[in-house]
Amino acid sequence: EAGVAQSPRYKIIEKRQSVAFWCNPISGHATLYWYQQILGQGPKLLIQFQNNGVVDDSQLPKDRFSAERLKGVDSTLKIQPAKLEDSAVYLCASSLNSWRGSVDTQYFGPGTRLTVL
Amino acid sequence: GQNIDQPTEMTATEGAIVQINCTYQTSGFNGLFWYQQHAGEAPTFLSYNVLDGLEEKGRFSSFLSRSKGYSYLLLKELQMKDSASYLCAVRGGGAAGNKLTFGGGTRVLVKP
Repeated sequence: EAGVAQSPRYKIIEKRQSVAFWCNPISGHATLYWYQQILGQGPKLLIQFQNNGVVDDSQLPKDRFSAERLKGVDSTLKIQPAKLEDSAVYLCASSLNSWRGSVDTQYFGPGTRLTVL
Repeated sequence: GQNIDQPTEMTATEGAIVQINCTYQTSGFNGLFWYQQHAGEAPTFLSYNVLDGLEEKGRFSSFLSRSKGYSYLLLKELQMKDSASYLCAVRGGGAAGNKLTFGGGTRVLVKP
């Protein structure tokens, strides 16, 4: 079974530029997550999708970050304009569903390492 | 809100046992996860506890006490490849049924 795919793996941009990341979840997984992981910290949830609807985006800086999952499969996360503090690894994860009472393990992709200069 | 604490770093010797503690204060609780993350790689799932007690899986065991807001991950017969960060994550309740809040991670260094 193929895992979560992400691209690009690395990206270097200057502040105020725009950048987009792509994620393809595990086939059949209804729930998709974007996390930001700053060096030395644990991942922080930015946004959670259930199929193509947003379940939680309470920690997404909406003035500069946006995300979509138009057909309920692939997803893109965009930053416009980027700031120095956006330098981090952006992890995408997926799970089968988000029903309570089940383990519903989240499986992570390899991440995109973003450096903002 | 959610607050999850775990030690920043631990060092142990190959073949030994290490216990990584995690304490949490959360507004809701629907399970606790442990993930392993090697440097530069994605987190990988290790264990899940939702009821009090010990879950054993090979060399790794995880314990949960909901009344104390406490969990630990026990790594036995340490191997060099176990050098990694170990992330404690709590699943809260609410509308986002599977939202995970992660601790800062514990970096474990295994020495020969």
